[in-house]
Amino acid sequence: QVHLQQWGAGLLKPSETLSLTCGVYGGSSSGYYWSWIRQPPGKGLEWIGEVNHYEGTNYKPSLKSRVTMSVDTSLNQIFLSLSSVTAADTAVYYCARQRKYPFIQPFDIWGLGTKVTVSS
Amino acid sequence: EILLTQSPGTLSLSPGERATLSCRASQSVSSTYLAWYQQKPGQAPRLLISDASSRATGIPDRFSGSGSGTDFTLTISRLEPEDFAVYYCHQYDRSPPYTFGQGTRLEIK
Repeated sequence: QVHLQQWGAGLLKPSETLSLTCGVYGGSSSGYYWSWIRQPPGKGLEWIGEVNHYEGTNYKPSLKSRVTMSVDTSLNQIFLSLSSVTAADTAVYYCARQRKYPFIQPFDIWGLGTKVTVSS
Repeated sequence: EILLTQSPGTLSLSPGERATLSCRASQSVSSTYLAWYQQKPGQAPRLLISDASSRATGIPDRFSGSGSGTDFTLTISRLEPEDFAVYYCHQYDRSPPYTFGQGTRLEIK
């Protein structure tokens, strides 16, 4: 059974860089798209971007200037970096798996989430 | 970017009743690339429905999805106590950015 484990710093100061890792266990990271999705306290879900080993990345336009995602298939890990954070970036961050071939599917497996707080 | 609007914001029902949740898209969603998720407090979202009407593995048949184009519905035929949660619709139409509705909170009356 595939599951995702997330880790990274949970408390940041404004202007710092958020760095999170999502590990894939019980399966492979190859051949899938991996998204990061966040949820501010008491609010809904916001898609941040996606990464695929072969086809690269896509980011939400409003976050594109600050986001970097990558995947290391040898480690089965997916990475998120978000620079110049502010209080508005405070949220629970999830990684999630998506299949696009042979036909596109929604996010079927999610990590448990990492709570990130930005505060001075 | 396709905007999704869910209604109602909050739905108050009793166990055993039928729940109908709506999701409206700002433009047509191709090939019914519309999903529904359930989220309970402190948990990650769980996929219920894909392609507008296909139940995910292990999802009880009291959950059903319907719709096409811009109007989609999630129906829970007979509410069980564990069904009270927040529900999100999500479009994954071809190319990103992908979007979610703002959620419907299903609460016990």
